[in-house]
Amino acid sequence: QSVLPQPPSASGTPGQRVTISCSGSSSNIGGNTVNWYQQLPGTAPKLLIYNNDQRPSGVPDRFSGSKSGTSASLAISGLQSEDEADYYCAAWDDSLNAWVFGGGTKLTVL
Amino acid sequence: EVQLVESGGGLVQPGGALRLSCSASGFTFSSYAMNWVRQAPGKGLEYVSGISSNGRTTYYADSVKGRFTISRDNSKTTLDLQMSSLRPEDTALYYCVKDSVSVVRGVKSWFDPWGQGTLVTVSS
Repeated sequence: QSVLPQPPSASGTPGQRVTISCSGSSSNIGGNTVNWYQQLPGTAPKLLIYNNDQRPSGVPDRFSGSKSGTSASLAISGLQSEDEADYYCAAWDDSLNAWVFGGGTKLTVL
Repeated sequence: EVQLVESGGGLVQPGGALRLSCSASGFTFSSYAMNWVRQAPGKGLEYVSGISSNGRTTYYADSVKGRFTISRDNSKTTLDLQMSSLRPEDTALYYCVKDSVSVVRGVKSWFDPWGQGTLVTVSS
């Protein structure tokens, strides 16, 4: 059981909007910023969203992040086939004194 | 361009030891904290260890504490992970990851980029 539960799977059709949730506690998401990583099949993870809602250069504005209390969300609008990947949330945990990751959500574009 | 190249993975018996290395280039290595993150086959990401830019502060996941040691050589721009008392559950792809700040526990920090990983298999 991950410290940051995520739904194991999500799906949508091209053009749709999907959201992926990440649940935490006061020791991690509640007190620290959240980052999101995208892992395309067979590749290393890549930074997708940092500091809750910031996009690195090169990441399309179809991707957006938000945080409220002890939960965070990743939204992908205008879904495209190349968005098929695993998505992970992450935050520092003050109790564990370590970074913690969500269990990952596998996104399928139907 | 920032490059992180891991090496040292392989097959090792339970109870054995292995040393992973990460060669970094394309940025001022001595200014950033560095981390190791692993991914067991078909599983999610798990934080393993981190080290501050000056090497004085280290962090470990509970699952590896006392068995793994992280270190860095800023003159050679390399990051190492000495692993001992290895267990089958340590089998994973180990990624070298650059932090965005100089301390591991950085306020508003993130991991970018990630290396391609080196595979460690613990099996008899």
